[in-house]
Amino acid sequence: DVKVTQSSRYLVKRTGEKVFLECVQDMDHENMFWYRQDPGLGLRLIYFSYDVKMKEKGDIPEGYSVSREKKERFSLILESASTNQTSMYLCASSPSGQSEAFFGQGTRLTVV
Amino acid sequence: GESVGLHLPTLSVQEGDNSIINCAYSNSASDYFIWYKQESGKGPQFIIDIRSNMDKRQGQRVTVLLNKTVKHLSLQIAATQPGDSAVYFCAERTGGYQKVTFGIGTKLQVIP
Repeated sequence: DVKVTQSSRYLVKRTGEKVFLECVQDMDHENMFWYRQDPGLGLRLIYFSYDVKMKEKGDIPEGYSVSREKKERFSLILESASTNQTSMYLCASSPSGQSEAFFGQGTRLTVV
Repeated sequence: GESVGLHLPTLSVQEGDNSIINCAYSNSASDYFIWYKQESGKGPQFIIDIRSNMDKRQGQRVTVLLNKTVKHLSLQIAATQPGDSAVYFCAERTGGYQKVTFGIGTKLQVIP
């Protein structure tokens, strides 16, 4: 089975902290995605990557950056966490050419 | 169906009845349309997809209909079961870098 693992299930960080959310997939997928999920707003795409060291902005990239140094790992970075970044963060991966994406269990981030 | 706003649309269905979940999409250039199911506390899970050059696709107990004229997508679930209770998201994939964007979701409640 495909496995997408997010490093933390719950995180509490302070305003202004630099935050790293890590995601690892074990199926050699080319594409990886970071979404945030908020009530009533669905899943909104922050960044995605279609290859190592490649990244593309999604719909809401402001306040975030990403890193993909290895194919299996896609990191989301909050340079200076703010309270409006309190959310559920979901990582996903998919093989090139296929529409099915596999999601991790999510990281619930609270910024205080 | 889905709409912009802070309230998640909810569909309540009697167990054993058929469910129809609707979605409006915006991008005529999308090449795939996808349905995901998200159970409480889990990441979204792929259900079925349909290519943009098709108008109907059937899976096990599910059927997806695509009407490109009015940019409308629907998911039909036959003989709805309690285990179908979840939030359902439609998503569209834009070719090239395979960016996938999601709708806000519809909550399906199955009444035993």
